[in-house]
Amino acid sequence: KQEVTQIPAALSVPEGENLVLNCSFTDSAIYNLQWFRQDPGKGLTSLLLIQSSQREQTSGRLNASLDKSSGRSTLYIAASQPGDSATYLCAVREVGGTSYGKLTFGQGTILTVHP
Amino acid sequence: DGGITQSPKYLFRKEGQNVTLSCEQNLNHDAMYWYRQDPGQGLRLIYYSQIVNDFQKGDIAEGYSVSREKKESFPLTVTSAQKNPTAFYLCASIVFGGAGNTIYFGEGSWLTVV
Repeated sequence: KQEVTQIPAALSVPEGENLVLNCSFTDSAIYNLQWFRQDPGKGLTSLLLIQSSQREQTSGRLNASLDKSSGRSTLYIAASQPGDSATYLCAVREVGGTSYGKLTFGQGTILTVHP
Repeated sequence: DGGITQSPKYLFRKEGQNVTLSCEQNLNHDAMYWYRQDPGQGLRLIYYSQIVNDFQKGDIAEGYSVSREKKESFPLTVTSAQKNPTAFYLCASIVFGGAGNTIYFGEGSWLTVV
């Protein structure tokens, strides 16, 4: 059974810092990996999606990498801002079959960026 | 605008009652999902459906039921058999085919047992 773990569980940083969030998964047979942002009491917004054949994806100040063989992904946030404060979740999508599209989520990292 | 609409946003259930959470999408997506989120926890899959009139149990299906009579609708019923239903419920959908399909989420529904 796929298990996804995120470290750290919570992170508090001053504005302007570069930071790294970590995600690990136990079964490397994945279709892709996604990073999401969740604001309190809200749904999830997709930030970046990395296909299993890709190594990284970038969007603005965000960069996500994937090392499928070692079961790891990192989300790098450059020049953090207070507006980045949210919970960040990673999820892996299983390969084909009856579980098509099924995502397994980590528990999330709660990020607080203070001015 | 295209998207996923969940209703109601807040729902209170008395002991022994069944309640139904609505999820509607106008994205023409094939697959739809229901997740449960408890405080400080990740999302856990309750049920999912890949085509109309078909659905599969997820990891925590006990005490829940679903239907998929229309492509755009995937309601979730929380039955009295669910002993600890207080949680945040999220509906999601995705389209088949192509690479890199992103999953979209609704804004969620809060269910509280009173």
